[in-house]
Formats: sequence, structure tokens, C-alpha cells
Amino acid sequence: DQQVKQNSPSLSVQEGRISILNCDYTNSMFDYFLWYKKYPAEGPTFLISISSIKDKNEDGRFTVFLNKSAKHLSLHIVPSQPGDSAVYFCAANTGANSKLTFGKGITLSVRP
Amino acid sequence: ETGVTQSPTHLIKTRGQQVTLRCSSQSGHNTVSWYQQALGQGPQFIFQYYREEENGRGNFPPRFSGLQFPNYSSELNVNALELDDSALYLCASSLGEVRYEQYFGPGTRLTVT
Repeated sequence: DQQVKQNSPSLSVQEGRISILNCDYTNSMFDYFLWYKKYPAEGPTFLISISSIKDKNEDGRFTVFLNKSAKHLSLHIVPSQPGDSAVYFCAANTGANSKLTFGKGITLSVRP
Repeated sequence: ETGVTQSPTHLIKTRGQQVTLRCSSQSGHNTVSWYQQALGQGPQFIFQYYREEENGRGNFPPRFSGLQFPNYSSELNVNALELDDSALYLCASSLGEVRYEQYFGPGTRLTVT
């Protein structure tokens, strides 16, 4: 049972344009959401997070939006750069513990 | 500040054998979590240790076991290896009270033949 879903396996965008990565979840107990970026041969690197009491969190070029009623979140990268090409994982957890539940990931390719 | 390190990088084992993977936490972190990432999947939570005690476990059989040492380094042991155990094993460390940001190591690639 996939509680965190990233339904698009890949996304390709032009350098300088916006990248929008989507994530859906089914567990209404999730209260914290995170995005991780992973390059080949490296572990996932924390990118940005959002608490369920907020609907938006911004950090430089990265913005995460949360729509609790739709159980949907998205990561916006503006402007996209070739160095952003990586696999992006959406993850979530509940207040009860630190266990992270991950989606399958989406491969972002930013074309120069 | 030293990041999370894992050893070995790659490992090939035969079905039925046992394996031990090692993780050194980021300096000052007292919580370690282990994840299994199969090909094409996201990481799946195996278990977590906080101050040397198991602090949560995912849907993995008892042949997956772990240890955390006083210096907060950690081991993941897998007995009676099966072909489906072939995966990338990731270790992540965090500060107990900062429960959300977990810092991952590069992983150990285990192949079971």
C-alpha cells in the first residue's frame, strides 16, 4: 500500500523554466512533509520541508506547496538549472516518530 | 563536521549467507535509521535506534536486526539472505529532538546471488 505517491516517473524541463514536481499521500495522520534530492552514488540530501499547519514554504529557488484537503503537495523550482537534474523523493511522517515514508521518486532532467 | 559514512560501498553475497553493514553517524547525532531502497523504489524504513535502543521498526522480518553503539555508530545485520534482499541500504542520522531532518549516508549496495 503506497501511502506516498509520485505518479510521474520523470520530468524534463528547459533551463531557466519552472519545474513542478507533484506528490500525493493517503495517510491523513502525516503532519510533516519533506523533499529529498538524490544524485547517483550518493545518499538522499534534504532539500525543503513543510509542516501541515502551513500551506507554503519557500527557500531560495525552491517552494513547496501543501494542499491538505486534496492530500497533495508540490515542489516548484524556479529557475531550473542543469545542476538540479537528479531524482527527487517526497517523504512524510507523523508526529509519533521519525520514520519517513517515501514515494518512488521522480527523475528531473533540466536541459541546457 | 563529519557526515554520515557507510561501509562497505558494495557487497556481493550468496543466498543463505549473513551480512553486516556499518554506519557512522554525523557528529553529535544520537539517532540512526536504516532504510532499504530496491531498484526503482523509494527508501523503505527498516528500523531506528535512539541512544542504543530500538525505537521503531518497519515491515521487515526478524532476520533484519541492528545495533547502535555508545559512540552512536550502528550496524545492520541480515541473516539467511534472500535474492530479494538485493538493494541499496541507506543509513540516516539525526538529533533525537530534531526528528524530521535526517542526514543520509551514500549507502551500501548489496547484491545477493
